Amino acid sequence: QKEVEQNSGPLSVPEGAIASLNCTYSDRGSQSFFWYRQYSGKSPELIMSIYSNGDKEDGRFTAQLNKASQYVSLLIRDSQPSDSATYLCAVNEFNTDKLIFGTGTRLQVFP
Amino acid sequence: GAVVSQHPSWVICKSGTSVKIECRSLDFQATTMFWYRQFPKQSLMLMATSNEGSKATYEQGVEKDKFLINHASLTLSTLTVTSAHPEDSSFYICSASLLAGGLYGVNEQFFGPGTRLTVL
Repeated sequence: QKEVEQNSGPLSVPEGAIASLNCTYSDRGSQSFFWYRQYSGKSPELIMSIYSNGDKEDGRFTAQLNKASQYVSLLIRDSQPSDSATYLCAVNEFNTDKLIFGTGTRLQVFP
Repeated sequence: GAVVSQHPSWVICKSGTSVKIECRSLDFQATTMFWYRQFPKQSLMLMATSNEGSKATYEQGVEKDKFLINHASLTLSTLTVTSAHPEDSSFYICSASLLAGGLYGVNEQFFGPGTRLTVL
């Protein structure tokens, strides 16, 4: 059973702090990794994708990938209350376009 | 870019009726479209993968005769929930796949806003 594991949270951080979200996956054949943000009652929104080992930065977001450890993370710098949402880690199933989703980590940023 | 629309955004129907949900990629042609279902406080559950001009591929446990998928063009896929029952009440979300730029040749999925179905 291919799985993506995330801590459900909630992860509570003060405004302006760095939020660190983590994800592990079981399928060693996975090559594409994604972070989606989902506000309550809304659909997921793609915020980051990463395909090679190392860091990828986009504005306040940094995705980190370590394929040897089967580990993906998302850092959110200068966290804002508007960042409060559930963050879904998604990993492609080897040799398909299908995504395997984690159950999500709920992030709460308090003023 | 990469905008996906869904219609309707919400629907309430009586038990036993059928409901059709449309998913459109507005500014790109999607290689593949996906249909998900999400129950409250749970993660996304993939129901089926849809390619234009071919039969949808359903995930294990999803009844293909109950959830009819038609992929009429590279920008339109429809999901029909036939003979809906209260247990079918859920948040149905489609996504469309777009080839990402760069060297990787990877498809990225962009989600529609979802359709909230309530069956009375």
